[in-house]
Amino acid sequence: GESVGLHLPTLSVQEGDNSIINCAYSNSASDYFIWYKQESGKGPQFIIDIRSNMDKRQGQRVTVLLNKTVKHLSLQIAATQPGDSAVYFCAETVLLTGGGNKLTFGTGTQLKVEL
Amino acid sequence: KAGVTQTPRYLIKTRGQQVTLSCSPISGHRSVSWYQQTPGQGLQFLFEYFSETQRNKGNFPGRFSGRQFSNSRSEMNVSTLELGDSALYLCASSSGTGSKKTQYFGPGTRLLVL
Repeated sequence: GESVGLHLPTLSVQEGDNSIINCAYSNSASDYFIWYKQESGKGPQFIIDIRSNMDKRQGQRVTVLLNKTVKHLSLQIAATQPGDSAVYFCAETVLLTGGGNKLTFGTGTQLKVEL
Repeated sequence: KAGVTQTPRYLIKTRGQQVTLSCSPISGHRSVSWYQQTPGQGLQFLFEYFSETQRNKGNFPGRFSGRQFSNSRSEMNVSTLELGDSALYLCASSSGTGSKKTQYFGPGTRLLVL
């Protein structure tokens, strides 16, 4: 199938701590993964992506890890800030023969940063 | 570059009516995808347009349709609205070519069907 699921619906962390958001996917043909952040009343905002031929990618305060063996994806946020409070979605992309692609999203994890 | 824009931002309709939503992609992007977001179903893919052609389609009934114009702007239409069509409708654009096709989202149109 093409299901993408998140392990935890809500994650609460203290300001300054590191956050880890997990995601499981089931489609072994997925070749590209993206993490999005969605704040209330806004559309999803691109955070970081990773191709299936990589197992780690770092951005500014964020790191994405990909474990293809167990079909697991995680997003690590360093020194979590109040502005990081949002819903985080992982998404997988499968390239189609027609040249198009489709994003399949996980259910989302609500990250709450406590002061 | 300006981001993806969607109009209108909010819409209230009644059952049986139809609605048309508009999306302007990031300049230079040729692919536009539409998604429906609801609390119960999450983000679900509706369809993708590339160079004025529907390239991919999700599992939605025929009441949901779309089109893309030569300037890459896209419209989505929902006919015979049902209460369950109340949702946030998101449009995303990408370059549409190459193996890495990051999609950038607009703010969405929130549709309420009464």
